[in-house]
Amino acid sequence: DIQMTQSPSSLSASVGDRVTITCRASQTISSYLNWYQHKPGKAPKLLIYAASNLQSGVPARFSGSGSGTVFTLTISSLQPEDFATYCCQQSYSGPYTFGQGTKLEIK
Amino acid sequence: QLQLQESGPGLVKPSETLSLTCAVSGGSISSSGSYWAWIRQPPGKGLEYIGNINYSGSTYYNPSLKSRVTMSVDTSKNQLSLKLSSVTAADTALYYCARLYSSSYNWFDPWGQGTLVTVSS
Repeated sequence: DIQMTQSPSSLSASVGDRVTITCRASQTISSYLNWYQHKPGKAPKLLIYAASNLQSGVPARFSGSGSGTVFTLTISSLQPEDFATYCCQQSYSGPYTFGQGTKLEIK
Repeated sequence: QLQLQESGPGLVKPSETLSLTCAVSGGSISSSGSYWAWIRQPPGKGLEYIGNINYSGSTYYNPSLKSRVTMSVDTSKNQLSLKLSSVTAADTALYYCARLYSSSYNWFDPWGQGTLVTVSS
């Protein structure tokens, strides 16, 4: 199985900050990388697909980049509703696997 | 707008079979090319892909769970089902269903809110 490792595992930031979360794959996965936002009690939400494509309806302050084994999710200016857990997921080969998540907390 | 809702017993005894359903609304489960997935998250851990099924019943199961998993679709009820046999405490988790959007690249969207299943006597 392809292992996905996220860093950091948690992050404290303030409204208006620019934050970046990194996801590393244990082998090359081209651009087969998706990002999700997860809030307690709510359905996880797709943010970015195929490494850099913004899902319809997702604010433009979210962006994704990378290919191969290293990927990043960037939030350009944090808003109050962005405090949540973010996780990456590879769809290069089965079984699809997820990162362990990055919890973004208010400083 | 496609919506998914999981349901099932919140408590299952060890060695028994966990059974969950996922009701799909706002779209047909049998749309050509539709794939549907189950994903779980044990307490304090990351997400784990259980497997997927397509509209015609073709399945892919995570090899780590393959011997215990059965997925099915009921097109008349527009829902999918998950059965996990011989459960242990390690199967305690929040279980999600999601559409697996399949194209050149694949992703999960949308997801249900999840249902918590606890394995305990």
